[in-house]
Amino acid sequence: DGGITQSPKYLFRKEGQNVTLSCEQNLNHDAMYWYRQDPGQGLRLIYYSQIVNDFQKGDIAEGYSVSREKKESFPLTVTSAQKNPTAFYLCASSIGGRDEQFFGPGTRLTVL
Amino acid sequence: AQTVTQSQPEMSVQEAETVTLSCTYDTSENNYYLFWYKQPPSRQMILVIRQEAYKQQNATENRFSVNFQKAAKSFSLKISDSQLGDTAMYFCALYSNSGYALNFGKGTSLLVTP
Repeated sequence: DGGITQSPKYLFRKEGQNVTLSCEQNLNHDAMYWYRQDPGQGLRLIYYSQIVNDFQKGDIAEGYSVSREKKESFPLTVTSAQKNPTAFYLCASSIGGRDEQFFGPGTRLTVL
Repeated sequence: AQTVTQSQPEMSVQEAETVTLSCTYDTSENNYYLFWYKQPPSRQMILVIRQEAYKQQNATENRFSVNFQKAAKSFSLKISDSQLGDTAMYFCALYSNSGYALNFGKGTSLLVTP
């Protein structure tokens, strides 16, 4: 089955630690995205990538980093510089920007 | 700058009735795309409907239809014959060629009651 997966589903982190959230897709999509969702805030774009080995900052990139070494994978690292990392993180992919985005099931990150 | 506004944080409707969710947007582009996504309690985001701005005909998907008013920059979602499974957060989103990804509104929480 084609789809997009995220792992882990729940993640706990101590303050000062970096953590990496996984996102994998087998839809052969060029574009991939990371969003952060907080209550009452909708989805805010962290990073996006339109093609392998290329990515751009979104609206709230500070304290996050990404890589896009393979078409299928777009991991997100939440660094210790992110002041308030507790949130629900969604990864998505699409053929192009104007096309339907397919979303993963999300990762809930909690900082202890 | 592009903006998407959903002015109804919460709504409720009885089963089998019709409900309309509002969305207004702002963009300087003439060609753009509008979306409605649904996020049920499972938190899995699902596309409900997509509208291309250059198409005058309103998009329809089964019980879901939109009222696209380009001049007014309005894109409302109508759900007919509401079902309990329609209970979810609904997000309106905009993509234009001057942007790089979807711009989402803050969402409307819809509760369908028996």
